[in-house]
Amino acid sequence: EVQLVESGGGLVQPGGSLRLSCAASGFTVSSNYMSWVRQAPGKGLEWVSVIYSGGSTYYADSVKGRFTISRDNSKNMLYLQMNSLRAEDTAVYYCARDTSNGYYDYWGQGTLVTVSS
Amino acid sequence: DIQMTQSPSTLSASVGDRVTITCRASQSISSWLAWYQQKPGKAPKLVIYKASSSESGVPSRFSGSGSGTEFTLTISSLQPDDFATYYCQQYNSYALTFGGGTKVEIK
Repeated sequence: EVQLVESGGGLVQPGGSLRLSCAASGFTVSSNYMSWVRQAPGKGLEWVSVIYSGGSTYYADSVKGRFTISRDNSKNMLYLQMNSLRAEDTAVYYCARDTSNGYYDYWGQGTLVTVSS
Repeated sequence: DIQMTQSPSTLSASVGDRVTITCRASQSISSWLAWYQQKPGKAPKLVIYKASSSESGVPSRFSGSGSGTEFTLTISSLQPDDFATYYCQQYNSYALTFGGGTKVEIK
């Protein structure tokens, strides 16, 4: 059974850093495209970043230069390093398995990141 | 970026009603469109991909249609479990973008 479990969210001050983790089971992270998608409180969905099976990475303009997506093949984990956090980064962050076409067939339960002083 | 516009933003309907949600893209995306269902406090769930292909396990009352810039999601007979928010998503090009959502409420 495919499962994705995010962790690492919490309260952080503006300008601070946080690393989100996503533990995958039932499939191999490195053989799939994996994404982070976020949802601000009461708002819609926003694509954040993707890492291809080959290792290429892409980012939304809103996070480029501040966020870094990565994976640990030995642990079957996906990560999102978030630096220089802003209030507008406050959201539930979901990791999701990309079908390699650009849509998502499995999602984690999400982890809440709150950026506030 | 490709803008995705959904209408209506809220829809009030009764059990058994036929419901249609529209999604428009700011430029042609061929059939590279997915629909998701999201319930409060839960992750989105894939319903339709490639505009009209149903995800495995999705009830047959859900159907999608369209191509180019205009798409629809139809629920043929609304069931209690269908009250949720629905999002369209284009995957024609990065940045991948979602519509603003349509909340289907009980009338």
